[in-house]
Amino acid sequence: EDKVVQSPLSLVVHEGDTVTLNCSYEVTNFRSLLWYKQEKKAPTFLFMLTSSGIEKKSGRLSSILDKKELFSILNITATQTGDSAIYLCAVTGGTSYGKLTFGQGTILTVHP
Amino acid sequence: NAGVTQTPKFRVLKTGQSMTLLCAQDMNHEYMYWYRQDPGMGLRLIHYSVGEGTTAKGEVPDGYNVSRLKKQNFLLGLESAAPSQTSVYFCASRQGGSNQPQHFGDGTRLSIL
Repeated sequence: EDKVVQSPLSLVVHEGDTVTLNCSYEVTNFRSLLWYKQEKKAPTFLFMLTSSGIEKKSGRLSSILDKKELFSILNITATQTGDSAIYLCAVTGGTSYGKLTFGQGTILTVHP
Repeated sequence: NAGVTQTPKFRVLKTGQSMTLLCAQDMNHEYMYWYRQDPGMGLRLIHYSVGEGTTAKGEVPDGYNVSRLKKQNFLLGLESAAPSQTSVYFCASRQGGSNQPQHFGDGTRLSIL
């Protein structure tokens, strides 16, 4: 059975801090790992990672995958209050229909 | 710029009542999915569809049925609602082919009393 574990489950920081969110996984025939940001409503897509060691970057957010050690990290630098959200990690495995297995999520709270 | 639209946004039901949640996407996506999100458990797949007229079970299908009569719509039905089905339900869709991300609707918050 595919499994995704995120840590920490919650995190409180102040604006300007840098945070690192962790995601470890077990999946049969790994295809991709995805990060989503969920504020009040729909999870919104951040990154898709398929290859080890290649950093994906978007503004202050970046992510990298280690397929040997089966984990990924999401970094947010110079955090802002607008970064407060639940960050979800998910993986797709050997099936063709793109089933996502999600972790529990990390609740990030950024105080002014 | 609608993307994935879910209706209704909120609903309160009594135990034993039935209802249907509607998901509509305007991106011509082949694949559609229904998830439920419960505190501390992430999102779990209920049912999915790989194209018009097809449906299949996910990891938590019991108590739910689905239909995909039109490519753009994916319906989730609860025949006899139970308190354990109190949850937030999300619909998602994606293009066919490898390594395409799923795009989510805003969710339906369902309470069963």
